Amino acid sequence: GQQVMQIPQYQHVQEGEDFTTYCNSSTTLSNIQWYKQRPGGHPVFLIQLVKSGEVKKQKRLTFQFGEAKKNSSLHITATQTTDVGTYFCAGHTGGGGADGLTFGKGTHLIIQP
Amino acid sequence: DADVTQTPRNRITKTGKRIMLECSQTKGHDRMYWYRQDPGLGLRLIYYSFDVKDINKGEISDGYSVSRQAQAKFSLSLESAIPNQTALYFCATSVSRRGEQFFGPGTRLTVL
Repeated sequence: GQQVMQIPQYQHVQEGEDFTTYCNSSTTLSNIQWYKQRPGGHPVFLIQLVKSGEVKKQKRLTFQFGEAKKNSSLHITATQTTDVGTYFCAGHTGGGGADGLTFGKGTHLIIQP
Repeated sequence: DADVTQTPRNRITKTGKRIMLECSQTKGHDRMYWYRQDPGLGLRLIYYSFDVKDINKGEISDGYSVSRQAQAKFSLSLESAIPNQTALYFCATSVSRRGEQFFGPGTRLTVL
């Protein structure tokens, strides 16, 4: 079945440093979504990428979808304490098959003031 | 996100007991999902439903059953709970198959 790998599992940064998490799928994705889960909270949708090579920005966050639609990344510039949480990528395969998202295991972002 | 609610929020039960987790939504979405989250394993899909007449198994449906009582309600049951079903359970909704998903606050279940 489809697998979505996400690295690193944990990332410690000093406040103000940049952060990147990477997501790789074993199969081509029709789209990829990114979610953020604050400690003790639930996943909250951040963005969706659909097109090959697509790049989207949300303030300090930059999301990329690979040309082959098998990988994606999330980059945060100049992290702040409010960025703390776990970032998940999640993908849909194209065509038929099971619905629902296949999630990566997430990257825990820990920020030291 | 108060549009998707889950009850109970926390539950401790014993091995062999029957447990029902409930999810309600006011978003008017047809698609509803149940996921479980375990430390280090991310979220895994248990069951999903496109409408009240359509129920589908996800990646890890063994040991679970669901009921879609109405468009707004989707319940997850553990017929005979076992300790390895201890996890955080999330309900989610979506307006379309490829659309963003809206998660409820989660139910933390502990099976002793």
